[in-house]
Amino acid sequence: DADVTQTPRNRITKTGKRIMLECSQTKGHDRMYWYRQDPGLGLRLIYYSFDVKDINKGEISDGYSVSRQAQAKFSLSLESAIPNQTALYFCATSEGAANQPQHFGDGTRLSIL
Amino acid sequence: KNQVEQSPQSLIILEGKNCTLQCNYTVSPFSNLRWYKQDTGRGPVSLTIMTFSENTKSNGRYTATLDADTKQSSLHITASQLSDSASYICVVSANRGSTLGRLYFGRGTQLTVWP
Repeated sequence: DADVTQTPRNRITKTGKRIMLECSQTKGHDRMYWYRQDPGLGLRLIYYSFDVKDINKGEISDGYSVSRQAQAKFSLSLESAIPNQTALYFCATSEGAANQPQHFGDGTRLSIL
Repeated sequence: KNQVEQSPQSLIILEGKNCTLQCNYTVSPFSNLRWYKQDTGRGPVSLTIMTFSENTKSNGRYTATLDADTKQSSLHITASQLSDSASYICVVSANRGSTLGRLYFGRGTQLTVWP
């Protein structure tokens, strides 16, 4: 089983709909992240959480919200989806130490019509 | 402005050949530099992490080098295989003491290995 699991893997929806992307992890890491990847661009940070009671905005948080339901679960919501939010979304986890890698899920491909 | 630039944007090589990917950065203060491999349809997977004091680090056929003075890194792939076809992403971490600092992502180099 994957250490970082994202659901759904693919989603097509219409403008204005509310969407939730879910992420769960079995690595026991405190830190969790949501990224967005667009063609030709680097990964961009949307939100991150260092523990259950800690939520922080990233570079591009407008139009998104998150919930850290437990150490192992971190979900991303689009309250009213718009077409330019069409992208590949990744969840990642890490330990807190400086030289530890991030571990990524396999992504959710989201298309907004 | 903190940035990470990768070159080339894309590269095609024949199976069995070697190749080198480049990464230049302006992130300061510097903590470490990471190389990730991202297969199509998958999330990035860590290949190497190098700190300021490390000049080179290997992971199988992958060897990363770091010149912290010129703020350049390279990823050398030896005896390429079809499974090396992927995007290779350079990521630089800003210094935040012993804890993980902000990460700056390059746009990646798309490598295609032909049989």
